Amino acid sequence: EAGVAQSPRYKIIEKRQSVAFWCNPISGHATLYWYQQILGQGPKLLIQFQNNGVVDDSQLPKDRFSAERLKGVDSTLKIQPAKLEDSAVYLCASSAQGETQYFGPGTRLLVL
Amino acid sequence: GENVEQHPSTLSVQEGDSAVIKCTYSDSASNYFPWYKQELGKRPQLIIDIRSNVGEKKDQRIAVTLNKTAKHFSLHITETQPEDSAVYFCAASNSGFQKLVFGTGTRLLVSP
Repeated sequence: EAGVAQSPRYKIIEKRQSVAFWCNPISGHATLYWYQQILGQGPKLLIQFQNNGVVDDSQLPKDRFSAERLKGVDSTLKIQPAKLEDSAVYLCASSAQGETQYFGPGTRLLVL
Repeated sequence: GENVEQHPSTLSVQEGDSAVIKCTYSDSASNYFPWYKQELGKRPQLIIDIRSNVGEKKDQRIAVTLNKTAKHFSLHITETQPEDSAVYFCAASNSGFQKLVFGTGTRLLVSP
C-alpha cells in the first residue's frame, strides 16, 4: 500500500513569512498526526485529527500555527508568521484502528 | 502528562555485539510502547512494539521487554550489524488517546 505522502520535502523561508505543508495519509486511516522534530530531539505531537475533528492540539502554538483536515483525508499545517525556532522537520503520520502510526518522509523547514 | 526518558543518548558497539536501550515513563496509564528507527534524513519506522499485557516480545534479532511495576521498557538488539546504525526512539501512549510521547533518542553506531 502507498505510504504517507508529504510535500514539499524542503522549504527555506525568512522569519515572519508564512509557510504551508501538505499531508496525504494512508488510504483508510482515520487518524492523522502532525509532529515537529527539532534536530537532535524526538518528535513532538502538534495536533491529532480523528477524521476531520481535532482530538488533541494542546501543544500547538495557536498564535502562529494552524491545521485543518476539512474532508477527513488530506491535511495542511500552516505557520504564520514563522520564527527562527520553527526550523525543524514537520512529520505527518497516520493510523487506522489501534496505535501503530506510520510516518511520512517529513518536510524540512529552515527559517532564516 | 506523560514524560519519557531514554538512555543512553549515544551507544557505540562492535559488529556482532548486543545493544540495549532503556526508557522510563511516568504515566501508569500508558499501555502501548513502540520503538522507531530513524536513519539520517529518513522517516521514523516502527521496528517493534509492545502492549502492557505482555512482558516481552521478540522479532528475529530485536526484542523488547516491559516492566510495568518499575515503568520501564528496553530494546535489545543482538548480533548487531552496521546497517543497525541509526537513531532509535522509544515512545509511550495511553491507547485511549493514541498520543505518542517520544523519548529523546539513542544514536547507535555499529562499527565493522
